[in-house]
Amino acid sequence: EIVLTQSPTTMAASPGEKVTLTCRASSSVSYMHWYQQRSGTSPKLWIYETSKLASGVPNRFSGSGSGTSYSLTINSMETEDAATYYCQQGSSYPWTFGGGTKLELK
Amino acid sequence: QVQLKETGPGLVQPTQTLSITCTVSGFSLTSYYMQWVRQTPGKGLEWMGFIRSGGSTEYNSEFKSRLSISRDTSKNQVFLKMNSLKTEDTGVYYCARGATRVSYWFAYWGQGTLVTVSS
Repeated sequence: EIVLTQSPTTMAASPGEKVTLTCRASSSVSYMHWYQQRSGTSPKLWIYETSKLASGVPNRFSGSGSGTSYSLTINSMETEDAATYYCQQGSSYPWTFGGGTKLELK
Repeated sequence: QVQLKETGPGLVQPTQTLSITCTVSGFSLTSYYMQWVRQTPGKGLEWMGFIRSGGSTEYNSEFKSRLSISRDTSKNQVFLKMNSLKTEDTGVYYCARGATRVSYWFAYWGQGTLVTVSS
């Protein structure tokens, strides 16, 4: 099983600040996918195939990476970006999720 | 538009069997893989398995011995059944679908159904 480790577990950012969330895989994966989840709601697809933004996702978000190291970056933090973000790999069974990064507004 | 909605029992006793129905609209089950994902306090988000557009299944080995996924295409419904429930199975169960016929990520999610395993 490929274990995905996200860091940091929790962080706070001020409006306008640049934010980078990291996801490391225990073995190489072809792509990484990211989800945003707000409290009490279902996860939403945010970034797929490492760097493609899902429909409706603001372009201040970007994704990058390869192999075992991937990241999600917010160019300029906004209030609405406060949420928990999860990475997920579908390269190898069983598909797995990271433990999440809770991003709070400072 | 694509819609998915889970319906579950809410409360299940330990050792009993969980049955959840996912009713979909806006697309055909014969055209897409349908997934089950759960979110528990202990393990977070876990992929459980899927049923292919052709009807075959793939399960996470974590659940393989007690999980069954099936469907009724005439009713646009997908079913999850899991036996021998434990308190650790308490959580929210989601059905989900990919963006394309064979997707390795989850583009559409249901609202989820909360399952509590308790006596």
